[in-house]
Amino acid sequence: DVKVTQSSRYLVKRTGEKVFLECVQDMDHENMFWYRQDPGLGLRLIYFSYDVKMKEKGDIPEGYSVSREKKERFSLILESASTNQTSMYLCASRSGGAKNIQYFGAGTRLSVL
Amino acid sequence: EDKVVQSPLSLVVHEGDTVTLNCSYEVTNFRSLLWYKQEKKAPTFLFMLTSSGIEKKSGRLSSILDKKELFSILNITATQTGDSAIYLCAVAGGTSYGKLTFGQGTILTVHP
Repeated sequence: DVKVTQSSRYLVKRTGEKVFLECVQDMDHENMFWYRQDPGLGLRLIYFSYDVKMKEKGDIPEGYSVSREKKERFSLILESASTNQTSMYLCASRSGGAKNIQYFGAGTRLSVL
Repeated sequence: EDKVVQSPLSLVVHEGDTVTLNCSYEVTNFRSLLWYKQEKKAPTFLFMLTSSGIEKKSGRLSSILDKKELFSILNITATQTGDSAIYLCAVAGGTSYGKLTFGQGTILTVHP
């Protein structure tokens, strides 16, 4: 079974703090993704990565950056957290090629006070 | 801009009822449509559809795709309380290979 692990289930941070959300997958997948999920808006793509050190902006990249130094690990960084970044963050991974199935982690619920 | 719209946004039924969830899309370079179920944890994969008219089935769940009319339905028969979840529809396409565009999700609540 594919396993995607997010480092924290719940996180509370203060406005202006730098926040790191970590995601690790164990299936040697090439592609990894970060989404945020808000009620009524579904999942929106923040950033994704095709390979180590490669990244591409998604639909809502503002206020976020990412890092992929190793194939299995994809980090989402909030440089200066703001209250409008309070949300559920989901990480996913996918093998390359024609298969479009993404496998998700359990999510990190981030509250920025 | 790619767009996926699900309806209804929420649905409350009783055990034993049959439900139909809808997903319509406007996506460039369509590749496939996926359904996920999300309880209080990671979304889990249900179905991937790539061809029109071919029903995918798993137990009480089934799904079909219409590429001409650009929609898919997810049917759940004889619902159980364990079917209560958010059902997510996503489409793979667009200009970036592997990227999924998600709908808003349908919140299904099944009462005993």
